[in-house]
Amino acid sequence: KAGVTQTPRYLIKTRGQQVTLSCSPISGHRSVSWYQQTPGQGLQFLFEYFSETQRNKGNFPGRFSGRQFSNSRSEMNVSTLELGDSALYLCASSLSWTASYEQYFGPGTRLTVT
Amino acid sequence: GDSVTQMEGPVTLSEEACLTINCTYTATGYPSLFWYVQYPGEGLQLLLKATKADDKGSNKGFEATYRKETTSFHLEKGSVQVSDSAVYFCALSAQGGGADGLTFGKGTHLIIQP
Repeated sequence: KAGVTQTPRYLIKTRGQQVTLSCSPISGHRSVSWYQQTPGQGLQFLFEYFSETQRNKGNFPGRFSGRQFSNSRSEMNVSTLELGDSALYLCASSLSWTASYEQYFGPGTRLTVT
Repeated sequence: GDSVTQMEGPVTLSEEACLTINCTYTATGYPSLFWYVQYPGEGLQLLLKATKADDKGSNKGFEATYRKETTSFHLEKGSVQVSDSAVYFCALSAQGGGADGLTFGKGTHLIIQP
C-alpha cells in the first residue's frame, strides 16, 4: 500500500506571496492532519480534517488554512507569507480521528520564505 | 494543556551499547503514547505505540512501557546499531481523540558511533 505523499517536496517563496501544499493520504484513511516543524518550536499541530470537515485547529493565525476533498486528499494554504513560515510542513493520515489510531506521516514539504 | 518532556541530546553511544531515552508526559485522562523516528531529510516514521496503562509497545528491538503511575514512556533498546542514528520523538494523543492532534516532545538526537 502506498504511503502518504506530499507535493511539492521543496518550495521557495517570497515574503508576501501565498502557497498551497498538497497531501494524498494512505488509501482508506479518512483523517488528515498537518504539522509544522521548525528548529525552534519543534513539531506543532496545525489542523485536522476528517470526512471533509475541519475537526480541530492548532494555535496558528488565520493565514493558515486548509481543506479536504471527497477523496480524502488535503491541501493547506498559507497566505501573506512571512519569513517565520519557513519550515518543514508534514502531513499525516490516519484511519480515523480517535486517539488510539496511529498517524502515518509523509516526507514533508520544505518551504523556504525569502 | 498536554505536554511531553524528553531529553534533547545529542545522545552519543557506541555500537552495541544499551539505550534509554526518557519521556514523561502531562495529560488528563488516559492518552495514547507513541514513539516516532525521523531520519535526515525524511518525515516521521511510527516506531511503536501503547494505548493503555502497562501496555508495552515494541518494534525493531525497541521497547517502551506505558507507566501511568510515573506518567512515563521511556524508549529502550538493548544493543544499538549505527543505523539507529536518528531523531526520536515521544508523542501523545489525548483521550477522546486528538483535540490538538499529536503533542510532541522536542526530540532526542541519537548518534551511534561504530
